Amino acid sequence: QQPVQSPQAVILREGEDAVINCSSSKALYSVHWYRQKHGEAPVFLMILLKGGEQKGHEKISASFNEKKQQSSLYLTASQLSYSGTYFCGTEGYSGAGSYQLTFGKGTKLSVIP
Amino acid sequence: EPEVTQTPSHQVTQMGQEVILRCVPISNHLYFYWYRQILGQKVEFLVSFYNNEISEKSEIFDDQFSVERPDGSNFTLKIRSTKLEDSAMYFCAQPLARWYFGPGTRLTVT
Repeated sequence: QQPVQSPQAVILREGEDAVINCSSSKALYSVHWYRQKHGEAPVFLMILLKGGEQKGHEKISASFNEKKQQSSLYLTASQLSYSGTYFCGTEGYSGAGSYQLTFGKGTKLSVIP
Repeated sequence: EPEVTQTPSHQVTQMGQEVILRCVPISNHLYFYWYRQILGQKVEFLVSFYNNEISEKSEIFDDQFSVERPDGSNFTLKIRSTKLEDSAMYFCAQPLARWYFGPGTRLTVT
C-alpha cells in the first residue's frame, strides 16, 4: 500500500519554509525522500532508518517517527532550485515476501521569486 | 558515486511493436527492480528480480512484459506488443546502501 503524502502541491516564495508529510498504514523499515525535476529521474535526498531519527541535507531535513509510521521533510529558506516534485518512498516487505520501495503520489513544490 | 545506467534514453515506437529497454547495474547485487512512471504520476513498481528470477511483479506487469539477464550482468525489460498506455519513463533500480535509480528511458508509443 502506497504512503500518503500531503500537501499535494505547494507554492512558496524564495526564502519561505515548507513541510511535506508522508504517512503509511504499514510498519516501516525505512523512509526515503527524493526530488524529481520534470523529465528527469528522481534524485535521492536522504534515507531515515530509525524511529525519531532526523537528518539534514543543506537546508533540507527530515524526521521519521517509526511508531506513528510518519515522516516529514522540512525545507527551510527555500531556493528556486528546490522546485520539483518530492516523493517519499517507504521500504517494507510486500505480501509476497520481497521488499520493495513504494512511492507516494508526490508533492509538487514551486518556488517563485 | 556509483551509477546505474540505462539505454536508450528515449525510444519512440509504434503500437504493437516490441521494445527492449536495457540497464547496467552497479554491481552483481542479487536484487534488481524495474519501475515505471507515467507522465505526471507517481513512480510505480513493476517487477523485482532476485537471484536471476522474478521475485515479485505488480498487476501492471502482464504477459506482454518480460525481464531477462541475457549476459549475466545487464538486465533487459521487454514489452512484446506495445500499447499507447505503455508510454512512460521506465527506471531500473538497485537497493544497495540506499536505492540507486537509473536515469530512465522515456518510451513513447504512437
